Amino acid sequence: QKEVEQNSGPLSVPEGAIASLNCTYSDRGSQSFFWYRQYSGKSPELIMFIYSNGDKEDGRFTAQLNKASQYVSLLIRDSQPSDSATYLCALDNAGNMLTFGGGTRLMVKP
Amino acid sequence: DAGITQSPRYKITETGRQVTLMCHQTWSHSYMFWYRQDLGHGLRLIYYSAAADITDKGEVPDGYVVSRSKTENFPLTLESATRSQTSVYFCASSVRGLLYEQYFGPGTRLTVT
Repeated sequence: QKEVEQNSGPLSVPEGAIASLNCTYSDRGSQSFFWYRQYSGKSPELIMFIYSNGDKEDGRFTAQLNKASQYVSLLIRDSQPSDSATYLCALDNAGNMLTFGGGTRLMVKP
Repeated sequence: DAGITQSPRYKITETGRQVTLMCHQTWSHSYMFWYRQDLGHGLRLIYYSAAADITDKGEVPDGYVVSRSKTENFPLTLESATRSQTSVYFCASSVRGLLYEQYFGPGTRLTVT
């Protein structure tokens, strides 16, 4: 099992819908969780981080963490075409470095 | 506010040549990192530095050398480039540490022929 797993996609949603991106991980000791957005040909850009179980909201973005089930999700409300990008999940792995998932490509169609 | 800059942005080199990728940050972040991004492997940590003159290996350090004589600079050297080192290289920095939010530079696309 990979340490951080994401469905590569593409995940296609219509404009205005909620996009739900998921990430599962194997290290039960992981404490820090991050979501990055990466446009094609660009560098990863930090969107959110979450450390505690539950939901964390920032504008149209909500991160959800469930440590017991070992998953972290990112919800994007009112999706816009400009949200079309690859979303990378990252988390601390064995407490010694951040490990990144392969990313989920999101396509928001007008 | 320039943040993190990388140079060159694109580089083509031949197998066996030495190549140095530059990274400069203006935030005075203590931590700096080098990653490579490849299809099928995602982002992988090559080396990181917690402060000037302190560096440590990441997940894939073989074939690379780093130094950090000044807080703001963190060059990555490929001592004898191989085709398997063809990749996109990202420099990143963090004010809080290895396990906290990191901010990425624009990347360097390196092709080894």
